[in-house]
Amino acid sequence: AQSVSQHNHHVILSEAASLELGCNYSYGGTVNLFWYVQYPGQHLQLLLKYFSGDPLVKGIKGFEAEFIKSKFSFNLRKPSVQWSDTAEYFCAVNAWNAGNMLTFGGGTRLMVKP
Amino acid sequence: DAGVIQSPRHEVTEMGQEVTLRCKPISGHDYLFWYRQTMMRGLELLIYFNNNVPIDDSGMPEDRFSAKMPNASFSTLKIQPSEPRDSAVYFCASSLELSSYNSPLHFGNGTRLTVT
Repeated sequence: AQSVSQHNHHVILSEAASLELGCNYSYGGTVNLFWYVQYPGQHLQLLLKYFSGDPLVKGIKGFEAEFIKSKFSFNLRKPSVQWSDTAEYFCAVNAWNAGNMLTFGGGTRLMVKP
Repeated sequence: DAGVIQSPRHEVTEMGQEVTLRCKPISGHDYLFWYRQTMMRGLELLIYFNNNVPIDDSGMPEDRFSAKMPNASFSTLKIQPSEPRDSAVYFCASSLELSSYNSPLHFGNGTRLTVT
């Protein structure tokens, strides 16, 4: 079975700072990788996903993530955060043939100070 | 498209009481998932349905938990009797297909359950 670790539980940044949220997974086979975001009071939304091809994936709102297979990592990045990026971010993984059977990380709560 | 609708948004109950959480998936979505979110364990898949039939309930923590989907537009997650350790946010999600590339999960706003 796969598992996902997000090492940063809480991150506080000032506006315009750069963001990198760590995500590591454990699974021996081919995986699909996702980042979801949950804004305060809202439901989870898909930020970006990786299935194959270019390991650098660009998502909505200026976010990107890089899949490094050798490190079993899929870190989320944004060059310059905004106050509106305050949210909880979840990394998720599934085996390539497991469809929407996702395993989520524990989440990282990001607070951006104006 | 109203999205996935869950009710209630918040539920506070006493230990031993029965709790029923409700979910209305997006119309036309054949797959429905129930997730539980806690600080300790993050987001866990409890059970999922395909065309109203439970396919995998291996994530259901124990017999106190049960889920039903009597029709394509409604599902319930029931806890009887409830315990304080059941306190969590419960999310319902639906998708058009099982394959997630073309059919991402759509989540509801969740139900925050507090058992005292």
